[in-house]
Amino acid sequence: AQKVTQAQTEISVVEKEDVTLDCVYETRDTTYYLFWYKQPPSGELVFLIRRNSFDEQNEISGRYSWNFQKSTSSFNFTITASQVVDSAVYFCALSEVMSGGYNKLIFGAGTRLAVHP
Amino acid sequence: NAGVTQTPKFQVLKTGQSMTLQCAQDMNHEYMSWYRQDPGMGLRLIHYSVGAGITDQGEVPNGYNVSRSTTEDFPLRLLSAAPSQTSVYFCASSYSGSLFARGETQYFGPGTRLLVL
Repeated sequence: AQKVTQAQTEISVVEKEDVTLDCVYETRDTTYYLFWYKQPPSGELVFLIRRNSFDEQNEISGRYSWNFQKSTSSFNFTITASQVVDSAVYFCALSEVMSGGYNKLIFGAGTRLAVHP
Repeated sequence: NAGVTQTPKFQVLKTGQSMTLQCAQDMNHEYMSWYRQDPGMGLRLIHYSVGAGITDQGEVPNGYNVSRSTTEDFPLRLLSAAPSQTSVYFCASSYSGSLFARGETQYFGPGTRLLVL
């Protein structure tokens, strides 16, 4: 069955430190998509990135970068020079094809990141 | 363009009461879904709809009913609330649900926090 594992339940860092959030997945689909969402204390889910299984290029967006490695089934997320505003719960998610060809998202349990001044 | 809206933001119910969680989107999305978020478990799919008049079950459908009479609205009904349904509920929508290859992503509403006593 499809599965997403975020082994780090909570991470605490001091501002300006770099931090990496791990995500390991299991899937039987040959084509799939991986996502990261941020859930700040206000509770909404904010989309961060979407990655296709056939595109292993790393991506950088400002202080955020993502390392996708198909060989190890991992899609890790790094925040460089963390800031207090980065404090949130971060979810990694994997697409799964349901009957009828429609997709749902399988979420990891989330990693709570606390960035202290 | 309001995106995905959910009402109410917070609700307290007594065991056995019924209620409807409202979800609406103004992006003309065909695919809408309901997830519940529980501590340590990420989000899990309850029900989804691929268009007006078409709904199907997700991972955890028991105790919930849905209908989709219009493209815009996808209400979630709890017929007889139980304490196990205490959770945060998220509604999500996307253009089609089966075309992730076109850069599609799911947009989430702000969530409804439900407490069943």
